[in-house]
Amino acid sequence: ETGVTQTPRHLVMGMTNKKSLKCEQHLGHNAMYWYKQSAKKPLELMFVYNFKEQTENNSVPSRFSPECPNSSHLFLHLHTLQPEDSALYLCASSRELGNSYNEQFFGPGTRLTVL
Amino acid sequence: AQSVAQPEDQVNVAEGNPLTVKCTYSVSGNPYLFWYVQYPNRGLQFLLKYITGDNLVKGSYGFEAEFNKSQTSFHLKKPSALVSDSALYFCAVRPGRGGGATNKLIFGTGTLLAVQP
Repeated sequence: ETGVTQTPRHLVMGMTNKKSLKCEQHLGHNAMYWYKQSAKKPLELMFVYNFKEQTENNSVPSRFSPECPNSSHLFLHLHTLQPEDSALYLCASSRELGNSYNEQFFGPGTRLTVL
Repeated sequence: AQSVAQPEDQVNVAEGNPLTVKCTYSVSGNPYLFWYVQYPNRGLQFLLKYITGDNLVKGSYGFEAEFNKSQTSFHLKKPSALVSDSALYFCAVRPGRGGGATNKLIFGTGTLLAVQP
């Protein structure tokens, strides 16, 4: 295990539902990330938080809303998603930003299916 | 544009044979380079990284990678493949000094390594 957990592991939701993904890291890191992984495509960085502050939003649609209440927890709130949003959503953490050679540690992901 | 290329969607190798998974990059400045592995239904696991210094980097599970600045490559290698090495491998790069250093990791599309017994 990498020290990063994600729940739920699988989620099926309709386009009108509201759901949330949760990520927790037990590594003492201060930076956390959300990625989207779709088949045959590079990982897409969605959001970056450093010491609870959002530092990057990679032009993500507003139907995805992140929340970082503290350095150990990260949420992704989902609302009125589209079928093309079906993917594996990965959370990662690393030591604080500023040292760009720090590797990231990934959770197992949430497999999201939007019907 | 800054990018990472993994030219092979899949690499097949017999157990016990050496393996190579290719990666080339295009970034400005001196890059930081990473390899990650993803097993089925799991997240990405860090294997190794190149920051500076010796061009040959050793990582987890007997893997190593060689940084070649002139060829802008960072190929992943292992002298003797195991069936348990079968997984999806991702190369990633982050621009370092002189390249507008950023914490954004740029990933390749991944290479599926299949090791036959």
